[in-house]
Amino acid sequence: GNSVTQMEGPVTLSEEAFLTINCTYTATGYPSLFWYVQYPGEGLQLLLKATKADDKGSNKGFEATYRKETTSFHLEKGSVQVSDSAVYFCALSDRVQGAQKLVFGQGTRLTINP
Amino acid sequence: NAGVMQNPRHLVRRRGQEARLRCSPMKGHSHVYWYRQLPEEGLKFMVYLQKENIIDESGMPKERFSAEFPKEGPSILRIQQVVRGDSAAYFCASSPSYTTLAYNEQFFGPGTRLTVL
Repeated sequence: GNSVTQMEGPVTLSEEAFLTINCTYTATGYPSLFWYVQYPGEGLQLLLKATKADDKGSNKGFEATYRKETTSFHLEKGSVQVSDSAVYFCALSDRVQGAQKLVFGQGTRLTINP
Repeated sequence: NAGVMQNPRHLVRRRGQEARLRCSPMKGHSHVYWYRQLPEEGLKFMVYLQKENIIDESGMPKERFSAEFPKEGPSILRIQQVVRGDSAAYFCASSPSYTTLAYNEQFFGPGTRLTVL
């Protein structure tokens, strides 16, 4: 079945450092790919998405490119802030009768120190 | 426009009791999904419902768990005779009716954190 594998955490960086969180997937067909962020005590928020190969999703300085040849969707940010501290989930869609159920990676906890 | 609402936010039950979790989707959304998040793990799909119909329950345990989304009122996830292993965060997400778009965004609620003593 479909699956998502994320870089294990936790990840701790200093403010303004460069961030990469790796994500690879296994899927039949051509799923859409997502990054969600979860702040403490809250639900998930969609951070960015890409719906086809070579698409680049971007939001709030974060970027990820849908790479079909390497089945990857790595999350990057050039200069992180303390407010980026959260848990990040990579996910893919698995279409069921016209709507998607999401398959998530295990999450990567990110802590940014001032 | 209010987001997805879940209640209660925290629920404590003793082993053997019933847990009832509620989810009100965003206004105009007719698709509801339930996911479970065990400690330090990602979310796992449980069930997908439309009004009065269960579309996909492939992630739902076969026993003790049930879900509904009635014509009126919130979606309910019911866990009977809870055990300690049911302790988790349960998230609900909703999306609008199917469109021709390749992707139909899911909006998540804040979750219900269930603790079984």
